[in-house]
Amino acid sequence: KAGVTQTPRYLIKTRGQQVTLSCSPISGHRSVSWYQQTPGQGLQFLFEYFSETQRNKGNFPGRFSGRQFSNSRSEMNVSTLELGDSALYLCASSLWGTSSYEQYFGPGTRLTVT
Amino acid sequence: LAKTTQPISMDSYEGQEVNITCSHNNIATNDYITWYQQFPSQGPRFIIQGYKTKVTNEVASLFIPADRKSSTLSLPRVSLSDTAVYYCLVGDKGLTGGGNKLTFGTGTQLKVEL
Repeated sequence: KAGVTQTPRYLIKTRGQQVTLSCSPISGHRSVSWYQQTPGQGLQFLFEYFSETQRNKGNFPGRFSGRQFSNSRSEMNVSTLELGDSALYLCASSLWGTSSYEQYFGPGTRLTVT
Repeated sequence: LAKTTQPISMDSYEGQEVNITCSHNNIATNDYITWYQQFPSQGPRFIIQGYKTKVTNEVASLFIPADRKSSTLSLPRVSLSDTAVYYCLVGDKGLTGGGNKLTFGTGTQLKVEL
């Protein structure tokens, strides 16, 4: 069974630009969640999507948004990039949800904002 | 929001048992406690999950006291390949009532030596 895939793996953007990251979950998984990982803040929950609906959201500004398509693939968008948005963005999928079922993480997208 | 704390680092030798504790307050009453392992340049990998008392699988045990304000991951007979960062993940009562927000622990860097 193929694992969670994320594209692109690496990305360099300039302050003020916007970026879209993509995540393809494991086949059959309906929940996709996104996390930001930085050395200073550690792993932080961004949001969770289930059956195309945002079910849960972390404490991030509105510049961070996402969506999920009918095939469960998900995209995350960050607008008006700031230097502090440089991070590893991880996507995870699970069968039913983030809390009660094990999540499978992708390798992440390394975003660098200059 | 739930506050989770873990020891920053631990050292061990091959063949020893390692216990890593995560302290978490304000955990959601209906949520599980999950532990993940992360190697450099990879996404976290699920280890074990539990709700209360003790859970054991082929790689680890998880001990959760009745008040659920902490949890202890136990790795029996560690090897060099267990050198990694270990995170606990707990659900936190969503402020909007729309589900549980997720909070990762601060992470524990385990170093196993010969």
